[in-house]
Amino acid sequence: DQQVKQNSPSLSVQEGRISILNCDYTNSMFDYFLWYKKYPAEGPTFLISISSIKDKNEDGRFTVFLNKSAKHLSLHIVPSQPGDSAVYFCAAKTYNQGGKLIFGQGTELSVKP
Amino acid sequence: DGGITQSPKYLFRKEGQNVTLSCEQNLNHDAMYWYRQDPGQGLRLIYYSQIVNDFQKGDIAEGYSVSREKKESFPLTVTSAQKNPTAFYLCASSILTQPQHFGDGTRLSIL
Repeated sequence: DQQVKQNSPSLSVQEGRISILNCDYTNSMFDYFLWYKKYPAEGPTFLISISSIKDKNEDGRFTVFLNKSAKHLSLHIVPSQPGDSAVYFCAAKTYNQGGKLIFGQGTELSVKP
Repeated sequence: DGGITQSPKYLFRKEGQNVTLSCEQNLNHDAMYWYRQDPGQGLRLIYYSQIVNDFQKGDIAEGYSVSREKKESFPLTVTSAQKNPTAFYLCASSILTQPQHFGDGTRLSIL
C-alpha cells in the first residue's frame, strides 16, 4: 500500500521557468511533510518542509503548498536552474511514529539551459 | 566536520554470504535509520533506532539485522536470507523533531 505517491517519474523544464512537482498521500494521520533532493550516487538532502497546520511554506526559490482536503502537496521552484536537476522525493510522517518517514517514488527533474 | 559516514561506497557479495554495512554519525543524533533504494522506487525503511540498545523493524526488515550498541553507530547486516540484496543502501540520523540527515550510501552488488 503506497501511502505517498509521486505519479510523475520525470519532469523536464526550461531554465528560468517554474518547476512544479506533485505528491499525493492517503494517510490522513500524516502531520508533517518534507521534500528531499537527491543527486546520483549521493544521499538525499533536505530541502523544505511543511506542517499540516499550514498550507504554504516558502524558502527562497522553493515553495511547498499543502492541500489537506485533497491530500496533495506540491513543490514549486521558481526560477528553475540547471543545478536543480535531480531526483526529488516527498516524504511524510505522523506525530506518533517518531521520526519514521514514508517516501514517495521520486520525480526526476531535468532543467534545460 | 559533522556528518554521517557510510562505508564502503561499493560492496560486492557472493551469494550465501552475510555482509555488514557501516554507518557512523558524529551529529549526536538519537535516532538512526536504514533505507533501501531500488531503481524507480522511493526509499523503503528497513530498520530504525530511536535510542541506544533499542531498534524497530521497518517495512522491509526480512533478511536484515541491525545493532545499536553505541549512539554513533548503527551497522546493518544483509544476511543470506535476503533474496534480492542488490540495491543502494542509505543510512540517516536525526533528532526526532528534525529532518533526517543522510549519508552518501553504499551500493551492494551480488557477484
